[in-house]
Amino acid sequence: AQTVTQSQPEMSVQEAETVTLSCTYDTSENNYYLFWYKQPPSRQMILVIRQEAYKQQNATENRFSVNFQKAAKSFSLKISDSQLGDTAMYFCAFMKHFGGYNKLIFGAGTRLAVHP
Amino acid sequence: KAGVTQTPRYLIKTRGQQVTLSCSPISGHRSVSWYQQTPGQGLQFLFEYFSETQRNKGNFPGRFSGRQFSNSRSEMNVSTLELGDSALYLCASSLAPGQANTGELFFGEGSRLTVL
Repeated sequence: AQTVTQSQPEMSVQEAETVTLSCTYDTSENNYYLFWYKQPPSRQMILVIRQEAYKQQNATENRFSVNFQKAAKSFSLKISDSQLGDTAMYFCAFMKHFGGYNKLIFGAGTRLAVHP
Repeated sequence: KAGVTQTPRYLIKTRGQQVTLSCSPISGHRSVSWYQQTPGQGLQFLFEYFSETQRNKGNFPGRFSGRQFSNSRSEMNVSTLELGDSALYLCASSLAPGQANTGELFFGEGSRLTVL
């Protein structure tokens, strides 16, 4: 069975600074997706960034980037130039690439507060 | 393009009652999955439907059931409600496996169920 662990329940950062959220996972699968989802206080979950396990290059989306270490089963999220709108719960999630259909395994989440 | 629509947004029930929640996926999405979100257990997968068939089921008792209609709309039902069923129920839609599926799920805003 797959598990996802987020060891930082809460983090805070000053506006314009950089913050890194940690995530580790455990799986015996070789092909899978990893995701970071954001859930703002209004509750709707939205995708921040996605990484396919077979790709060695780390994914980047504007101010968001990941550090994907497949051997270490680590998948951290770096937010650069933090903005007040980044305040939210962030969930790391795992999905098998084939055969598992669209089932996400979520970590417990990290509550990020961005302060002015 | 309209997003994932969940109804009702809020509801209050008493123990022993049953409840039905509805989810309309993004147009063209044929896969619908449901998640339960609670402070204690986090985000947990309930089930996934594709082509009116349940493809995947999480570790929940039989009181939790669902179905999908030919237009891809989905409902989930919880019978004999317990206090512990109080949660935010999230629906997510996605392309079917094989349809250029990137693994991304699109979430609705959720249905907040309170059981008294």
